[in-house]
Parts: sequence; structure tokens; C-alpha cells
Amino acid sequence: NAGVTQTPKFQVLKTGQSMTLQCAQDMNHEYMSWYRQDPGMGLRLIHYSVGAGITDQGEVPNGYNVSRSTTEDFPLRLLSAAPSQTSVYFCASSKTGQGVSFFGQGTRLTVV
Amino acid sequence: GQQVMQIPQYQHVQEGEDFTTYCNSSTTLSNIQWYKQRPGGHPVFLIQLVKSGEVKKQKRLTFQFGEAKKNSSLHITATQTTDVGTYFCAGNSGNTGKLIFGQGTTLQVKP
Repeated sequence: NAGVTQTPKFQVLKTGQSMTLQCAQDMNHEYMSWYRQDPGMGLRLIHYSVGAGITDQGEVPNGYNVSRSTTEDFPLRLLSAAPSQTSVYFCASSKTGQGVSFFGQGTRLTVV
Repeated sequence: GQQVMQIPQYQHVQEGEDFTTYCNSSTTLSNIQWYKQRPGGHPVFLIQLVKSGEVKKQKRLTFQFGEAKKNSSLHITATQTTDVGTYFCAGNSGNTGKLIFGQGTTLQVKP
């Protein structure tokens, strides 16, 4: 099993550009989440999903969109990138609502 | 909304010294999880505590969950250089897979 796979690993965007961060898991987990990690601020929840077709906002959802059309995939879209979105992004999945989260390797995004 | 505070933010110790990080939630938790992130890596699950007053041990690591299920601690006895990294607590208060992370404690160990 590959676990949780994120692509790309690194990305540089210009302000105003859009892009999609990909996340896929092969563990048949219902629950998936996106976090951003900034120095001194831990991991902050952006959006999460409790199953295909169901998503909800986390702590810092502004500027990001998500959808969950399949159990396996949970892409994160930046519609108009801003320098404040420079961060490391992690996708995670868990089998149950109170279970262990498995994280992807992360995407390091720089917006210039 | 729910907040999870973690202290200290940084800790530098000499190899062999003990280390403790503390976690406090603004709301009662259904469980608390601890993760470790090595420099340049991703968070990796260490342990989950569910019961009030629960204590779990993993070799030199001791994890506690408070009686009110709002606070937790991780204690490392006799640190080693392999313990270097950032330790996060993460609170779970529902059944949504939604974890709220503390800010993390970064541990540096001098050999």
C-alpha cells in the first residue's frame, strides 16, 4: 500500500495563479483532511471530509476549495494564490472519525 | 471554536536529560493523539489516549490524559539524539476525523 500520496512535493506560484494540490489514499479511509503548517503555529485544519460527497470547513478555510467525488481522492484548490498561502500543506486520512490519522509527505508551496 | 495549546514551543536538552511537553484543550476531548515530526518530514502517529486519567508507556515515553479529559502530557526519560523532532498533541472532540493540533514542541538534544 502506498498510504497517502500528495503531489506535487514542491510548487512555486505567482500571485493570482490557481492550482490544485492532489491527495490520494489507497486505504479505503472515509475521513480525509487538509492542514497547513506554518512556523510556530502547528498544523491548522483547512477543510475535512467524512466521506465521498461530504466536506466541511476547518479552522482556516478562506482561499481554499475542496471536493470529494471519490473515497480515494481529496484535492485542494487554490483559486487565486496569495503570498499568505505560502506554507507546507499536509493531507491526512483516517479509517474512523476518532481514529489515527495517516499523513502524506506534504507539499511545500511558495507564492511570490 | 476549540483550541489546543501546547507548551513549551522549544526545548533544548543535554542527551540523557528528561523532557516534558504539555497540552491543554479549551473543551473536553473524546480522545487525544500524539504525533512526532522529524525535521523535513511529516507527522507520524505515536499514541492515542481515550480514557480519563489514562497513562500509557512506550519504552522511554510516558503519555498521560487528564482526569477531566482536557489536558495531556508527554514525558521522555533520558533523551537520546534520536528523539529530536517536533511533538504535537491533537485533540478529537467528535466523530468527524477532525483533529485540532497544538502548536507543537520542538525538541533539540545535544550529544
